[in-house]
Amino acid sequence: KQEVTQIPAALSVPEGENLVLNCSFTDSAIYNLQWFRQDPGKGLTSLLLIQSSQREQTSGRLNASLDKSSGRSTLYIAASQPGDSATYLCAVSWGNQGGKLIFGQGTELSVKP
Amino acid sequence: DVKVTQSSRYLVKRTGEKVFLECVQDMDHENMFWYRQDPGLGLRLIYFSYDVKMKEKGDIPEGYSVSREKKERFSLILESASTNQTSMYLCASSPRYVDEAFFGQGTRLTVV
Repeated sequence: KQEVTQIPAALSVPEGENLVLNCSFTDSAIYNLQWFRQDPGKGLTSLLLIQSSQREQTSGRLNASLDKSSGRSTLYIAASQPGDSATYLCAVSWGNQGGKLIFGQGTELSVKP
Repeated sequence: DVKVTQSSRYLVKRTGEKVFLECVQDMDHENMFWYRQDPGLGLRLIYFSYDVKMKEKGDIPEGYSVSREKKERFSLILESASTNQTSMYLCASSPRYVDEAFFGQGTRLTVV
C-alpha cells in the first residue's frame, strides 16, 4: 500500500532557528512530491514541487530534497520566523493515476518570537 | 497565478438536504479533485476527474457524487447530507502529466 508519513506531528522552535521537517513514503517509484503549507481554517498553498528526476528544489528560505532510494524527503526552513507558523503537508504522486496525491498527516510548526 | 475558487467558505445545512459544492479553476487544467479533511484523519480523496464527463472514485466516495460538465468546473454533491459529513472540503486542480496540484480556499461544511 502506498503511504506517506510525516514526523514529528508538531514542532515548536524559537525564532531564527533553522529547522527540518521530514516526510517518508513507501514505494520509491514516485512521479513527484509536493510540499504544502496550510494556515488554520484555510486551503493549501503549494510551496515546492520536486519531480522524480530531481534531487532538490529551492524557493527563498525553503529547500526541499528528495531521496527516492531511501523513500524520504526533507523540507529545510532557514532562519525561521513567527510567520512560518502553520501546518506543513507532504504529498506524493505515483503517476498514472490522474494526478492523485497521497498526503501525510502534516507537521504543525510553531515559531516563537 | 493559478486560481481555484470554491463557491462558499462556510455552509450550514440540515440533515437530509441535497448539498452542492462548486469548484472552478481558471488554468485549463485537465485534472480536478475533491478531498475532505478531518482532524486526525488528514486529507482523504473523495472523487477525482481527469477529463470532462470523466470521474473516478477516490478512497471515500460513499454518500457523494460529482459532476464535471465543463473542463473548468467540478461539483461535489452530497445526495442526502448527514452529520458525519461535517468537514472541511478542499478542491484542487492540476495539469495532466505534471501533477502539481493547486488548491482552493476550502469550504467548511456543518451538517446539523
